[in-house]
Amino acid sequence: AQSVTQLGSHVSVSEGALVLLRCNYSSSVPPYLFWYVQYPNQGLQLLLKYTTGATLVKGINGFEAEFKKSETSFHLTKPSAHMSDAAEYFCAVSRTGNQFYFGTGTSLTVIP
Amino acid sequence: DAGVIQSPRHEVTEMGQEVTLRCKPISGHDYLFWYRQTMMRGLELLIYFNNNVPIDDSGMPEDRFSAKMPNASFSTLKIQPSEPRDSAVYFCASSLGGANTGELFFGEGSRLTVL
Repeated sequence: AQSVTQLGSHVSVSEGALVLLRCNYSSSVPPYLFWYVQYPNQGLQLLLKYTTGATLVKGINGFEAEFKKSETSFHLTKPSAHMSDAAEYFCAVSRTGNQFYFGTGTSLTVIP
Repeated sequence: DAGVIQSPRHEVTEMGQEVTLRCKPISGHDYLFWYRQTMMRGLELLIYFNNNVPIDDSGMPEDRFSAKMPNASFSTLKIQPSEPRDSAVYFCASSLGGANTGELFFGEGSRLTVL
Protein backbone atom coordinates (compact mmCIF):
# COMPACT_ATOMS: atom_id res chain seq x y z
CA ALA A 1 0.00 0.00 0.00
CA GLN A 2 1.12 3.52 -0.65
CA SER A 3 0.25 6.64 1.28
CA VAL A 4 1.37 10.18 1.75
CA THR A 5 1.51 12.21 4.94
CA GLN A 6 1.77 15.96 4.90
CA LEU A 7 2.75 17.40 8.26
CA GLY A 8 0.95 20.61 9.01
CA SER A 9 -2.32 21.44 7.34
CA HIS A 10 -1.54 25.15 7.64
CA VAL A 11 1.80 26.88 7.34
CA SER A 12 2.38 30.61 7.65
CA VAL A 13 5.59 32.36 6.65
CA SER A 14 6.63 35.95 6.27
CA GLU A 15 7.30 37.32 2.83
CA GLY A 16 10.93 36.67 2.01
CA ALA A 17 11.28 33.83 4.51
CA LEU A 18 12.07 30.20 3.77
CA VAL A 19 9.18 27.98 2.81
CA LEU A 20 9.32 24.37 4.01
CA LEU A 21 6.39 22.03 3.40
CA ARG A 22 6.84 18.50 4.66
CA CYS A 23 5.86 15.27 2.95
CA ASN A 24 6.57 11.69 3.96
CA TYR A 25 5.51 8.65 2.03
CA SER A 26 5.15 4.98 2.69
CA SER A 27 5.87 2.69 -0.17
CA SER A 28 7.19 -0.81 -0.53
CA VAL A 29 9.18 0.19 -3.59
CA PRO A 30 10.79 3.46 -4.63
CA PRO A 31 7.92 5.66 -5.73
CA TYR A 32 7.38 8.47 -8.13
CA LEU A 33 6.81 11.64 -6.13
CA PHE A 34 5.08 14.87 -7.02
CA TRP A 35 4.14 18.25 -5.65
CA TYR A 36 1.06 19.98 -6.98
CA VAL A 37 -0.20 23.50 -6.23
CA GLN A 38 -3.81 24.62 -6.17
CA TYR A 39 -4.71 28.29 -6.32
CA PRO A 40 -8.19 29.38 -5.19
CA ASN A 41 -10.98 28.20 -7.45
CA GLN A 42 -8.59 26.40 -9.76
CA GLY A 43 -7.50 22.87 -10.47
CA LEU A 44 -4.17 21.41 -9.41
CA GLN A 45 -1.01 22.21 -11.33
CA LEU A 46 2.22 20.25 -11.28
CA LEU A 47 5.05 22.03 -9.44
CA LEU A 48 7.71 19.34 -9.77
CA LYS A 49 8.21 15.60 -9.89
CA TYR A 50 10.77 12.97 -9.04
CA THR A 51 10.87 9.75 -11.00
CA THR A 52 14.51 8.63 -11.26
CA GLY A 53 17.94 10.21 -11.32
CA ALA A 54 18.96 13.30 -9.40
CA THR A 55 17.31 13.43 -6.02
CA LEU A 56 17.13 17.22 -5.91
CA VAL A 57 14.38 18.32 -8.22
CA LYS A 58 13.74 21.88 -9.30
CA GLY A 59 10.28 23.03 -10.24
CA ILE A 60 8.45 26.11 -11.31
CA ASN A 61 8.33 29.40 -9.39
CA GLY A 62 11.60 28.74 -7.57
CA PHE A 63 10.42 25.65 -5.69
CA GLU A 64 12.52 22.56 -5.25
CA ALA A 65 12.25 19.25 -3.43
CA GLU A 66 14.69 16.56 -2.40
CA PHE A 67 13.95 12.85 -2.42
CA LYS A 68 15.50 11.25 0.66
CA LYS A 69 14.99 7.53 0.53
CA SER A 70 16.47 6.94 4.00
CA GLU A 71 13.94 9.32 5.49
CA THR A 72 11.10 8.45 3.09
CA SER A 73 10.63 12.16 2.61
CA PHE A 74 10.08 14.59 -0.23
CA HIS A 75 9.92 18.02 1.41
CA LEU A 76 9.18 21.09 -0.68
CA THR A 77 11.25 24.24 -0.18
CA LYS A 78 11.63 27.74 -1.54
CA PRO A 79 14.32 30.10 -0.24
CA SER A 80 12.21 33.24 -0.26
CA ALA A 81 8.43 33.31 -0.07
CA HIS A 82 6.42 35.62 -2.28
CA MET A 83 2.86 36.75 -1.74
CA SER A 84 1.85 34.92 -4.91
CA ASP A 85 2.93 31.60 -3.33
CA ALA A 86 -0.13 31.59 -1.10
CA ALA A 87 -2.02 28.47 -2.14
CA GLU A 88 -2.76 24.86 -1.24
CA TYR A 89 0.06 22.40 -1.83
CA PHE A 90 -0.39 18.68 -2.33
CA CYS A 91 2.21 15.97 -2.20
CA ALA A 92 1.44 12.84 -4.22
CA VAL A 93 2.97 9.43 -4.78
CA SER A 94 2.53 6.91 -7.53
CA ARG A 95 4.20 3.68 -8.47
CA THR A 96 2.10 0.81 -9.61
CA GLY A 97 -1.08 1.04 -11.52
CA ASN A 98 -2.36 4.43 -12.37
CA GLN A 99 -3.33 5.76 -9.02
CA PHE A 100 -2.01 8.95 -7.60
CA TYR A 101 -2.19 9.00 -3.82
CA PHE A 102 -2.57 12.59 -2.71
CA GLY A 103 -1.80 13.95 0.70
CA THR A 104 -4.37 15.98 2.56
CA GLY A 105 -2.77 19.24 1.51
CA THR A 106 -0.98 22.12 3.22
CA SER A 107 -2.37 25.61 3.04
CA LEU A 108 0.41 28.16 2.75
CA THR A 109 -0.19 31.71 3.97
CA VAL A 110 2.37 34.40 3.23
CA ILE A 111 2.37 37.32 5.63
CA PRO A 112 3.42 40.69 4.23
CA ASP B 1 -3.81 23.74 -26.89
CA ALA B 2 -6.79 24.08 -24.60
CA GLY B 3 -6.57 22.46 -21.21
CA VAL B 4 -9.07 20.13 -19.60
CA ILE B 5 -12.49 21.69 -19.85
CA GLN B 6 -15.19 21.01 -17.31
CA SER B 7 -18.80 22.11 -17.17
CA PRO B 8 -20.68 23.41 -15.39
CA ARG B 9 -18.32 25.37 -13.14
CA HIS B 10 -20.99 25.70 -10.52
CA GLU B 11 -24.15 23.70 -9.96
CA VAL B 12 -26.74 24.17 -7.26
CA THR B 13 -29.49 21.61 -7.12
CA GLU B 14 -31.98 20.13 -4.75
CA MET B 15 -31.76 16.76 -3.13
CA GLY B 16 -33.10 14.02 -5.35
CA GLN B 17 -32.28 15.73 -8.61
CA GLU B 18 -30.02 14.25 -11.24
CA VAL B 19 -26.67 15.94 -11.76
CA THR B 20 -24.46 15.52 -14.81
CA LEU B 21 -20.91 16.83 -14.86
CA ARG B 22 -18.99 16.98 -18.11
CA CYS B 23 -15.35 16.83 -19.07
CA LYS B 24 -13.37 17.31 -22.23
CA PRO B 25 -9.81 16.02 -21.79
CA ILE B 26 -6.76 17.34 -23.56
CA SER B 27 -6.64 16.08 -27.12
CA GLY B 28 -4.41 13.03 -27.47
CA HIS B 29 -4.45 12.09 -23.80
CA ASP B 30 -5.33 8.46 -23.22
CA TYR B 31 -6.15 8.54 -19.50
CA LEU B 32 -8.98 10.37 -17.80
CA PHE B 33 -9.53 10.63 -14.07
CA TRP B 34 -12.45 11.87 -11.97
CA TYR B 35 -11.64 13.19 -8.48
CA ARG B 36 -13.78 14.61 -5.72
CA GLN B 37 -12.46 17.19 -3.28
CA THR B 38 -13.98 17.98 0.11
CA MET B 39 -12.64 19.60 3.23
CA MET B 40 -13.19 16.45 5.23
CA ARG B 41 -11.78 13.85 2.86
CA GLY B 42 -9.41 15.80 0.64
CA LEU B 43 -8.90 14.53 -2.91
CA GLU B 44 -10.47 11.19 -3.67
CA LEU B 45 -10.11 9.28 -6.92
CA LEU B 46 -13.54 8.16 -8.06
CA ILE B 47 -12.79 6.42 -11.34
CA TYR B 48 -10.33 6.44 -14.20
CA PHE B 49 -10.46 5.46 -17.85
CA ASN B 50 -7.79 4.30 -20.28
CA ASN B 51 -8.62 4.64 -23.96
CA ASN B 52 -12.26 5.26 -23.02
CA VAL B 53 -12.51 2.04 -20.99
CA PRO B 54 -13.20 2.24 -17.24
CA ILE B 55 -10.28 0.62 -15.46
CA ASP B 56 -10.87 1.21 -11.78
CA ASP B 57 -14.14 2.46 -10.33
CA SER B 58 -13.50 1.30 -6.78
CA GLY B 59 -13.63 4.89 -5.60
CA MET B 60 -17.17 5.49 -6.76
CA PRO B 61 -19.02 5.89 -3.50
CA GLU B 62 -22.39 4.37 -4.36
CA ASP B 63 -24.56 3.10 -7.14
CA ARG B 64 -25.94 6.61 -7.37
CA PHE B 65 -22.71 7.56 -9.10
CA SER B 66 -21.95 6.54 -12.66
CA ALA B 67 -19.36 7.65 -15.21
CA LYS B 68 -19.08 7.17 -18.93
CA MET B 69 -16.59 7.96 -21.63
CA PRO B 70 -18.30 7.42 -24.98
CA ASN B 71 -15.32 8.73 -26.95
CA ALA B 72 -11.82 10.07 -26.47
CA SER B 73 -12.95 13.67 -26.14
CA PHE B 74 -15.83 13.47 -23.69
CA SER B 75 -16.71 12.03 -20.31
CA THR B 76 -19.59 12.44 -17.91
CA LEU B 77 -20.05 11.86 -14.21
CA LYS B 78 -23.65 11.43 -13.19
CA ILE B 79 -25.22 11.43 -9.75
CA GLN B 80 -28.79 10.20 -9.51
CA PRO B 81 -30.40 10.92 -7.12
CA SER B 82 -28.18 13.57 -5.58
CA GLU B 83 -27.84 14.04 -1.82
CA PRO B 84 -26.48 16.91 0.29
CA ARG B 85 -23.40 14.85 1.20
CA ASP B 86 -22.46 14.83 -2.49
CA SER B 87 -21.66 18.54 -2.23
CA ALA B 88 -18.03 18.89 -3.27
CA VAL B 89 -15.75 20.07 -6.04
CA TYR B 90 -15.43 17.46 -8.76
CA PHE B 91 -12.26 17.52 -10.83
CA CYS B 92 -11.53 15.87 -14.10
CA ALA B 93 -7.91 15.28 -15.06
CA SER B 94 -6.26 13.78 -18.10
CA SER B 95 -2.85 12.32 -18.77
CA LEU B 96 -0.77 10.92 -21.58
CA GLY B 97 0.54 7.52 -20.62
CA GLY B 98 -1.00 7.32 -17.18
CA ALA B 99 -0.26 8.64 -13.73
CA ASN B 100 3.14 6.97 -13.52
CA THR B 101 4.54 9.14 -16.28
CA GLY B 102 4.23 12.16 -14.13
CA GLU B 103 1.68 14.74 -14.85
CA LEU B 104 -2.03 14.96 -14.47
CA PHE B 105 -3.64 17.97 -16.10
CA PHE B 106 -6.61 19.12 -14.08
CA GLY B 107 -9.65 21.05 -15.13
CA GLU B 108 -10.88 23.94 -13.03
CA GLY B 109 -13.48 21.78 -11.34
CA SER B 110 -17.23 21.69 -11.00
CA ARG B 111 -18.48 22.94 -7.65
CA LEU B 112 -21.64 21.05 -6.73
CA THR B 113 -23.99 22.14 -3.99
CA VAL B 114 -26.91 19.89 -3.17
CA LEU B 115 -29.51 21.53 -0.95
